[in-house]
Amino acid sequence: DIQMTQSPSSLSASVGDRVTITCRASQGISNYLAWFQQTPGKAPKSLIYDASSLQSGVPSKFSGSGSGTDFTLTISGLQPEDFATYYCQQYNSYPLTFGGGTKVEIK
Amino acid sequence: QVQLVQSGAEVKKPGASVKLSCKASGYTFTSYAIHWLRQAPGQRLEWMGWINGGNGHTKYSQKFQDRLTITRDTSASTAYMELRSLRPEDTAVYSCARQGVPSINWFDPWGQGTLVTVSS
Repeated sequence: DIQMTQSPSSLSASVGDRVTITCRASQGISNYLAWFQQTPGKAPKSLIYDASSLQSGVPSKFSGSGSGTDFTLTISGLQPEDFATYYCQQYNSYPLTFGGGTKVEIK
Repeated sequence: QVQLVQSGAEVKKPGASVKLSCKASGYTFTSYAIHWLRQAPGQRLEWMGWINGGNGHTKYSQKFQDRLTITRDTSASTAYMELRSLRPEDTAVYSCARQGVPSINWFDPWGQGTLVTVSS
């Protein structure tokens, strides 16, 4: 199975900040990586697919990059609604696997 | 809008089975796959399997292969997930999610999740 390692596991940031979350795959996954956001009590929301493609309806403050084994999710201009947990997920091969999550908290 | 609505919370005893439903609306059910996933307390998300809404073909994670069955009822636009021989470690929130596009193996949107508690 492909192991996905996210860092950091949590971070504190202020409204308006730019944050970057990284995700590393244990083997190359091309660009078959998705990012999604989860807030307590709500269904997860897809943000990015194919490593850098913005899902329809997702604001452009979210961006993704990377290929192979190293990926990043960047959120520009943090707003209160962006404080959540973010996950990466690989879909290069079965079983589909997930990172451990990065909790973005208000400083 | 595309929506997946899951059935309610369940409490089961070890050794029992649970069958959850996921009702889809807002799109052509037979044109997309539905995935099932779960997250146990303090654990990572786990992908369990998917079903092709059109032809019913399924793909399961090897971890669950022996005790998982995913089915669908196209007339009701509903997918089902049955997990057998439940153990306390199967206590988790179970979610369904529609496939992404163009790759089938990412998820959008997700259902609201269903808590399954396995306890004697």
